[in-house]
Amino acid sequence: GEDVEQSLFLSVREGDSSVINCTYTDSSSTYLYWYKQEPGAGLQLLTYIFSNMDMKQDQRLTVLLNKKDKHLSLRIADTQTGDSAIYFCAASYAGNNRKLIWGLGTSLAVNP
Amino acid sequence: EAGVVQSPRYKIIEKKQPVAFWCNPISGHNTLYWYRQNLGQGPELLIRYENEEAVDDSQLPKDRFSAERLKGVDSTLKIQPAELGDSAVYLCASSSSERHEQYFGPGTRLTVT
Repeated sequence: GEDVEQSLFLSVREGDSSVINCTYTDSSSTYLYWYKQEPGAGLQLLTYIFSNMDMKQDQRLTVLLNKKDKHLSLRIADTQTGDSAIYFCAASYAGNNRKLIWGLGTSLAVNP
Repeated sequence: EAGVVQSPRYKIIEKKQPVAFWCNPISGHNTLYWYRQNLGQGPELLIRYENEEAVDDSQLPKDRFSAERLKGVDSTLKIQPAELGDSAVYLCASSSSERHEQYFGPGTRLTVT
């Protein structure tokens, strides 16, 4: 069945760039999302990309989509300690933009 | 604009007891979702409402879980009786009919002892 995979952990130094990677299996996914979850909190929508786009930039966040390889990445420039959180990748089901397939999340640790 | 509101934030109950969670979506959002999130996992959809109609409840354990959204606005998710394995965070999300993005509430952390 459809699946979304992410590496579980990433550790970076404050001020460096972070790159969180995600692969998905459903080539028909229309939208791909990045959510952030801080401890004890709900999921915060960070950004999303439409499947016909290659790149989307929003302030410190850059999303790259390689549709051929079904690979999505989230780059956080100038990573701060406040960026420490779990980042979830999610892909919409083909034909049903309201049903999402979720990865297990990548735990980002930012070291001062 | 107020976000998705959930209550309570935390609940501790003994197994076999009932429990209920409440969600008020973002104003104007007609789609409402209940998710369950276990530790170290992504969210798992339990049920999705379009207005007052449950359009996807395939993952809802119907023997003990029930949900309602009577007036197409706020919603209640109930577990009766609770089991130890129900300990998780229960998340509510909403989206509008015009847009696809889902916005989440803070969740209710349930501990069953």
